[in-house]
Amino acid sequence: NAGVTQTPKFRVLKTGQSMTLLCAQDMNHEYMYWYRQDPGMGLRLIHYSVGEGTTAKGEVPDGYNVSRLKKQNFLLGLESAAPSQTSVYFCASSYTSSSSYNEQFFGPGTRLTVL
Amino acid sequence: GEDVEQSLFLSVREGDSSVINCTYTDSSSTYLYWYKQEPGAGLQLLTYIFSNMDMKQDQRLTVLLNKKDKHLSLRIADTQTGDSAIYFCAESLPSSNTGKLIFGQGTTLQVKP
Repeated sequence: NAGVTQTPKFRVLKTGQSMTLLCAQDMNHEYMYWYRQDPGMGLRLIHYSVGEGTTAKGEVPDGYNVSRLKKQNFLLGLESAAPSQTSVYFCASSYTSSSSYNEQFFGPGTRLTVL
Repeated sequence: GEDVEQSLFLSVREGDSSVINCTYTDSSSTYLYWYKQEPGAGLQLLTYIFSNMDMKQDQRLTVLLNKKDKHLSLRIADTQTGDSAIYFCAESLPSSNTGKLIFGQGTTLQVKP
């Protein structure tokens, strides 16, 4: 199993350009998440999905859109990139949303620079 | 609201014990987690503790939970240079019903030879 994979690994954009980050998981997980990681701020949740065809806003959703057309894929879009979106983006997935144990499995990250 | 706080940096000598501390605010948390992030990589689950436990030991790792003070700690015995990484504590919120985890800012552990 590949686990959680992310493409691309690195990207440099100019302000105003658009791009899509792809996350794929082969563990048949229902739940998927997009985070951004900035120095000294930990991980902040951008958007998440509780199943195929569903998405919801997280803590910092502005400037991003997401889609979950297939259970195994979760796409994060930047329609008009801004320098404030320079960050490392992580995708994660998990088995369940219940109150029981919920380990999230993370991808290797995408390093995005917006000039 | 939900909040998880950690100190940002810890430096120890190889062979010493490391203690990384975390405080959280939501008393309904059922599970608390410690994740490890090595340079240039994603996060990996290191260990976790259920909220009705006070302590959990796993080889060189000891997790202590003080529910009254909402304080979580991770002790790494005989710290090695390979333990150099960022350590995140996280809490799960059963009331959210979304599987969301709330992460702390991360503690960078530097191990000097």
